[in-house]
Formats: sequence, C-alpha cells, structure tokens
Amino acid sequence: QLQLQESGPGLVKPSETLSLTCTVSGGSISSSSYYWGWIRQPPGKGLEWIGSIYYSGSSYYNPSLKSRVTISVDTSKNQFSLKLSSVTAADTAVYYCARTWIQLETFDYWGQGTLVTVSS
Amino acid sequence: QSVLTQPPSASGTPGQRVTISCSGSSSNIGSNTVNWYQQLPGTAPKLLIYSNNQRPSGVPDRFSGSKSGTSASLAISGLQSEDEADYYCAAWDDSLNGFWVFGGGTKLTVL
Repeated sequence: QLQLQESGPGLVKPSETLSLTCTVSGGSISSSSYYWGWIRQPPGKGLEWIGSIYYSGSSYYNPSLKSRVTISVDTSKNQFSLKLSSVTAADTAVYYCARTWIQLETFDYWGQGTLVTVSS
Repeated sequence: QSVLTQPPSASGTPGQRVTISCSGSSSNIGSNTVNWYQQLPGTAPKLLIYSNNQRPSGVPDRFSGSKSGTSASLAISGLQSEDEADYYCAAWDDSLNGFWVFGGGTKLTVL
C-alpha cells in the first residue's frame, strides 16, 4: 500500500523559508505514471495546489506562488521536497503531499498532512 | 476566492439524496475532467470520484458524479451519518500554462 509522509519544522519565522519533505513508501517515485505534488489548506479554509514534480525533475507551479516556490526530487531516497520562501502569516496551513496519477488526472494518494505555523 | 464555485453548505436527513454543485469555466471543467474529494474532520482529503463519474475501489456506489458543460455535480444517495464531511471538486485549468484548481468546499451536515 502506497504511503506518503510529510516531515519538517512546524514553526517558521516570517520572511524565512519553509522547507518540507515527503517520503514515499510502498512504491517508487521514479514511476513514469505519476507526478508528485504539494497542496495546502489554511486553517478553516479550502485546498490550494502549490506545485508538482516528475521524477525526472520537471516541475510546474501555481502561478500565484511560482515566484516563491521550489519543488525538488531525490529519487535515491524516494523523496520530494518543497521550499517556500519569504513566508508570512498567510502561509500558515496544513501542507499535504499527494500523488497525481497522470492518466486519470487525479490526486489519488495523499499524506496525512503537517501543520506549519508562520510566527515570530 | 476559489476558481471553482461550490455552495458552502448542504444538508440532508439519513436516507435522503443530496447533490453538491461545482461551477467552473471553459478553461477548467469545460475542457478537463472533474474529481471530487471527501475530507472527514481532522483528516486528509480522500479521492471520491475521478474522471467525472468514476469511483475508486472501495467507494460505495451511493456516491456518483456527473458533468455537463462547465459544471459538475456530486450526488450522495441513501445519506448516512458518516457522510458528514467537507467535499471538494477539482480540475485542471488550461490557462496560464496550466494549474490545478479546487472548489472552496461544501460542508455536508447530516441532520
């Protein structure tokens, strides 16, 4: 059974960079059938896609966040990572990693999520 | 403000049929498939419907999806108390080099 697990600091100071890693188990991140992405959810609000990456390193981002986001992949560790720079309180959210099944155009597996709070 | 528009709330009594709408545009729902996710309180979203009307293995056939033009709907028949959750629609948007968009979510209350 595929599992995704987010990890990283739960508290980040304003203007600093938020860094999270998603570890994939039960399947290979190097499969040609999937993209791997990040989605966030501010407390009490809806879902927002941040960006996604292919095992080759090809990535695409939400236009509204593109200037601050970098997503990378480490196939040797079966992990992919998110960096979001210059964070503010508005970036406080639960951050989920998820798998995109390319053929079916859907996020079919999600991590449990990790809360990141931006505060001094 | 979300790109896809959903009603913020919906409700029904056990056994009833409830529908949740999702309205978009020609660049998202009008040209791509729609997915629906169920988010139970305190948990991660779970895929409920993909490709407009397909159910993943394990999802009861009480849940069904449909799409027409630039709108989509999720229907839940035989409503049960455990269906109380937030429901989100999602689709790929072809504008601005492409990006995923979600609805704002609908909170379903089982009365």
